[in-house]
Amino acid sequence: AAGVIQSPRHLIKEKRETATLKCYPIPRHDTVYWYQQGPGQDPQFLISFYEKMQSDKGSIPDRFSAQQFSDYHSELNMSSLELGDSALYFCASSLSGITPGELFFGEGSRLTVL
Amino acid sequence: QQQVKQSPQSLIVQKGGISIINCAYENTAFDYFPWYQQFPGKGPALLIAIRPDVSEKKEGRFTISFNKSAKQFSLHIMDSQPGDSATYFCAARMWDTGNQFYFGTGTSLTVIP
Repeated sequence: AAGVIQSPRHLIKEKRETATLKCYPIPRHDTVYWYQQGPGQDPQFLISFYEKMQSDKGSIPDRFSAQQFSDYHSELNMSSLELGDSALYFCASSLSGITPGELFFGEGSRLTVL
Repeated sequence: QQQVKQSPQSLIVQKGGISIINCAYENTAFDYFPWYQQFPGKGPALLIAIRPDVSEKKEGRFTISFNKSAKQFSLHIMDSQPGDSATYFCAARMWDTGNQFYFGTGTSLTVIP
């Protein structure tokens, strides 16, 4: 079965640079979530989209933005990168209505800021 | 503020033993309580989940016990195996706020052969 696809898997950037992460949800899933996970930390919710509209916002810095496109893939844009942005970034998707609540996570994108 | 409190932070169990991880919450608006298993470098994967109208759910060696009045739930791993060594996260879902999930801080489980 198709899973959540994230790219790139690894990304190395310098301070003050920008980075873009991509997420392709499971087909027919209508909700996409972005999470940030620091070393030894629990996933921190950043932002979510339902049917291409932002549905909820968590601890996403103002330097970050995200959107969901017509094909339901989502992109997380990060600007003015800081050392503290180094983390694993997970995208998750879910299908509302039939089995609400099941989050399916991608493999993650590891961002390293030097 | 941590919406879901999880303990212990780490756990070492002998092969064949029982692993128990506990979580507690305050917000009674939570309506779905999943457990996720995460291996290093991988995304969390749904292990087992329960709704608050059920006191126990069992799937193979994994059991969730849910105490609604105490606002606590726990994961029991019976006959723990070295392959169970991973980080486990409990979570709680609040449907009213757009299907947002709140995660516990995680428990690193090591099963010794």
